[in-house]
Amino acid sequence: EVQLVDSGGGLVQPGGSLRLSCVGSGFSFNNYEMNWVRQAPGKGLEWVSYISSSGGTMYHADSVRGRFAISRDNAKNTLYLQMNSLRAEDTAVYYCARDRYSGFVAYDSWGQGTLVTVSS
Amino acid sequence: QSVLTQPPSASGTPGQRVAISCSGSSSNIGSNPVNWYQQVPGMAPKLLIYGNNQRPSGVPDRFSGSKSGTSASLAISGLQSEDEANYFCAAWHDTLHGPRVVFGGGTKLTVL
Repeated sequence: EVQLVDSGGGLVQPGGSLRLSCVGSGFSFNNYEMNWVRQAPGKGLEWVSYISSSGGTMYHADSVRGRFAISRDNAKNTLYLQMNSLRAEDTAVYYCARDRYSGFVAYDSWGQGTLVTVSS
Repeated sequence: QSVLTQPPSASGTPGQRVAISCSGSSSNIGSNPVNWYQQVPGMAPKLLIYGNNQRPSGVPDRFSGSKSGTSASLAISGLQSEDEANYFCAAWHDTLHGPRVVFGGGTKLTVL
């Protein structure tokens, strides 16, 4: 069974840092492009970051570029999101998502979500 | 304000057919495949349609997608109470600074 388990969320002060993790199982993790998607309370979905299967290509949303960094360790089947200089508007549930078909936005498997709250 | 525009709400009665629109531009829908997600509050999204009109295995054929120019549409036929959820469209968006993924603002579907 394909499974993604994300973790690492919590309460952090503005300007602080957090690192989210997402562990994949039940599939060949190193064959798939991965993404982070977030959802602020009561709001819609917002794409955050993309990383290619090898980790050699990364894209970030304008709202987080320069502050967030996506990475992966294929030996550990783990995806990461390093979040620095956090702001109140970064408060959201963060999901990792597997892209089933390259070139689409076919996220066929999602983590359960981890809540990040940025507040003093 | 989302790059992809969806109506905030839609409704229908059981058995009815409803359609949800998603409007974009030549930089996203006009040049890239459209994908649709269903999200029940408190749960992770579920992929409904990818590549404009392809259904992943397990998605009922009551759900169908289409695209024309810079707009796309998700149709749900034989509406059921369990279809009450939020629906989002998504596509790659090409920019001078590299590609981005964009989501529509979401449409809340109510089954009356």
